[in-house]
Amino acid sequence: DIQMTQSPSSLSASVGDRVTITCRASQGIRNDLGWYQQRPGKAPKRLIYAASSLQGGVPSRFSGSGSGTEFTLTISSLQPEDFATYYCLQHNTYPFTFGPGTKVDVK
Amino acid sequence: EVQLVESGGGVVQPGGSLRLSCAGSGFTFSNFWMSWVRQTPGKGLEWAANIKQDGSEEHYVDSVKGRFTISRDNAKNSLYLQINGLSVEDTAVYYCAVGAAAGFWGQGTLVTVSS
Repeated sequence: DIQMTQSPSSLSASVGDRVTITCRASQGIRNDLGWYQQRPGKAPKRLIYAASSLQGGVPSRFSGSGSGTEFTLTISSLQPEDFATYYCLQHNTYPFTFGPGTKVDVK
Repeated sequence: EVQLVESGGGVVQPGGSLRLSCAGSGFTFSNFWMSWVRQTPGKGLEWAANIKQDGSEEHYVDSVKGRFTISRDNAKNSLYLQINGLSVEDTAVYYCAVGAAAGFWGQGTLVTVSS
């Protein structure tokens, strides 16, 4: 199975900060990666698909980049509603696998 | 508006069975792969299974193979997950999602396995 790792596992930030989360795959997955946001008690919501394409309705402060084994989710200016946990998902090879998550909380 | 509504969760004893359902609306259900993803309490996400538009292809994570069966009824815009041989490790919120890569999710249904 393809193993997905995320770093950091958690981070503390302030409103207006630039936040970067990294996801690494144990083998190349081209750009078959999505990023998801999960707020407490809610279902995950996909923000980014195909590594760098913004899902419809998602604010432009979110962006994704990368290909192969290393991927990045960037929030350009953190907003109050962005404090949440973020996951990556590879869908290149079955079984699809999620990263362990990165929790973004208030500094 | 795309909507997915899961149902069928509950409390079940170890070794028991459940059938989860997911009703889709607001999109052409028969045009999309559909997926099930689960989340154990306080932990991360695990992709469980998905099924092709016409039901001709299914995929499962190893931990559920032989115990979980995904199916769909396009005439009813519904997705199902038959879960047999439940163990405490299967306690989780089960989400259905549109697409092979889980693009849009329902609100989830909680399955609790306990004696």
